[in-house]
Amino acid sequence: DIQMTQSPSTLSASVGDRVTVTCRASQSISSWLAWYQQKPGKAPKCLIYQASILESGVPSRFSGSGSGTEFTLTISSLQPDDFATYYCQQYESYPYTFGQGTKLEIK
Amino acid sequence: EVQLLESGGGLAQPGGSLRLSCAASGFTFSSYAMSWVRQAPGKGLEWVSAISGSGGSTYSADSVKGRFTISRDNPKNTLSLQMSSLRVEDTAVYYCAKMRGGLSGADDYWGQGTLVIVSS
Repeated sequence: DIQMTQSPSTLSASVGDRVTVTCRASQSISSWLAWYQQKPGKAPKCLIYQASILESGVPSRFSGSGSGTEFTLTISSLQPDDFATYYCQQYESYPYTFGQGTKLEIK
Repeated sequence: EVQLLESGGGLAQPGGSLRLSCAASGFTFSSYAMSWVRQAPGKGLEWVSAISGSGGSTYSADSVKGRFTISRDNPKNTLSLQMSSLRVEDTAVYYCAKMRGGLSGADDYWGQGTLVIVSS
């Protein structure tokens, strides 16, 4: 199985900050990576798929990059609505696997 | 508008069974693969199972293989997860999700989830 490792596990930041979350795969997954945002008590929401393609309706302050084994999710200017937990997921091969999550907290 | 509505969650005893359903609307159900993802209380997301649009191909996580069966009824726009030999560690919120395209895709829409508690 492909292991996905996110860093950091927790990130404290302020409104307006630029933040980056990293996701590493245990083997190459090409660009078959998605990023999800989850708020407490809510279902996850897909933000980015195929490593860098923004889902419809997702603000342009979110961006994704990377290929192979290393990927990043960047939020260019944090907004209050962005404080949530973020997960990466590889869908290169079954079983699909998620990273452990990165909780983005208000500093 | 895509809508996914899960049902069937509840309390089950260890070793027992439960059947989850997901009613889909707002898209051509048979054209898309579907999946189940779960989340134990306070924990991260765990992929559980996926099924092709036709229902002819399925995949499951090792943790549920042989115990959980994913299926779909395309005329009724319904996805199901038959869970048997339940364990305490199966306690989680179970989400159904529409996959983007075929079996090789991210989950672009999610239901709100249904809670399964396995306890004696």
